[in-house]
Amino acid sequence: AQSVTQPDIHITVSEGASLELRCNYSYGATPYLFWYVQSPGQGLQLLLKYFSGDTLVQGIKGFEAEFKRSQSSFNLRKPSVHWSDAAEYFCALHNTNAGKSTFGDGTTLTVKP
Amino acid sequence: EAGVTQSPTHLIKTRGQQATLRCSPISGHTSVYWYQQALGLGLQFLLWYDEGEERNRGNFPPRFSGRQFPNYSSELNVNALELEDSALYLCASSPGTGSSYNEQFFGPGTRLTVL
Repeated sequence: AQSVTQPDIHITVSEGASLELRCNYSYGATPYLFWYVQSPGQGLQLLLKYFSGDTLVQGIKGFEAEFKRSQSSFNLRKPSVHWSDAAEYFCALHNTNAGKSTFGDGTTLTVKP
Repeated sequence: EAGVTQSPTHLIKTRGQQATLRCSPISGHTSVYWYQQALGLGLQFLLWYDEGEERNRGNFPPRFSGRQFPNYSSELNVNALELEDSALYLCASSPGTGSSYNEQFFGPGTRLTVL
């Protein structure tokens, strides 16, 4: 079975502050991991992905994530948050054989001025 | 390059009716996926179609069904609508081959409201 856990339901940070969103996964094989962002009522936009290789991956909008196999984690980071980053963030694990992605419950980010 | 498109944007039905949602994948993509995002339930995998065949389905009752056409577009049908079917339905597509096979590109979704 595969699962994804995002421990933080809601995070509030001040504009300009750094951000880290946590993601832990459970999967019996090499994971294909993704971070998506969703604005209210909208679809999912891919921020970054990890398939293999370098464990630190860069994404769009200044986001990066680090894959740590020993901790089964894939945390998302941004050094300086902008007000426009306020949204809901989803971590996902894709099972190629089953053709499905399993998503975490999401973390809602609020940015204080 | 056009992204994944879904229609309609919004759909309002009454309990017991049928709903049909449509999805057009990115040109060249052969796999289509459907997900349900219901309030309080998160994003749940519904169906996966590839090359016209249903390859896998999530834990949903049989009244959720669909198909994929020869041009790889897809249709999701929900019969005997229930109030709890109200949700955002997201469609995604992927190339179906190669390393990027695992990357799904999502459409904007169809908001289904059941009254």
